Amino acid sequence: TQLLEQSPQFLSIQEGENLTVYCNSSSVFSSLQWYRQEPGEGPVLLVTVVTGGEVKKLKRLTFQFGDARKDSSLHITAAQPGDTGLYLCAGAKAGGTSYGKLTFGQGTILTVHP
Amino acid sequence: KAGVTQTPRYLIKTRGQQVTLSCSPISGHRSVSWYQQTPGQGLQFLFEYFSETQRNKGNFPGRFSGRQFSNSRSEMNVSTLELGDSALYLCASSLANLYNEQFFGPGTRLTVL
Repeated sequence: TQLLEQSPQFLSIQEGENLTVYCNSSSVFSSLQWYRQEPGEGPVLLVTVVTGGEVKKLKRLTFQFGDARKDSSLHITAAQPGDTGLYLCAGAKAGGTSYGKLTFGQGTILTVHP
Repeated sequence: KAGVTQTPRYLIKTRGQQVTLSCSPISGHRSVSWYQQTPGQGLQFLFEYFSETQRNKGNFPGRFSGRQFSNSRSEMNVSTLELGDSALYLCASSLANLYNEQFFGPGTRLTVL
């Protein structure tokens, strides 16, 4: 059972367009992280959101954590070819059984065409 | 600060063999976690070590094991390799704080023939 549903799985857009990636769960997370991964490399942490309703901005990327801390979204404004990659959301839970463990969504493969 | 390093980057093994992968965490990070990434299953948690102790384990068979040394470096071992073990194995280190932020290495690409 996939605890984090990420959509869409694939996104192919033109340079300059806007896009939103969604990450939904029926579980509550203590924090939610977004990563970007390029082929042959490990995921790189973009942002961590921890408070319900929190919004964080990283240049053209806007991250939001749902009020109930069950869902999150990533919005990219005016996408550029350099944004191309695999975007992953990952949820963390508090408590001993969660040490080191992130639950990942299946990922969104974003391709931005020049 | 240097990032997480993993060796080797690529490995080719045959069924039945065993393999050991190595990970050096970011300096000061005492928690090391291992993940398996495959196209079908995505990223799945294997186990986590902190101060040489395994604190958490995912749903993988006993063929997958690990250990951590006093300098926080970690190794992961897979015995009796199966074709389905072909994957990118990622090591991540963290400060083990409340937010559980993981910093990943580049991974070891394991191919089992």
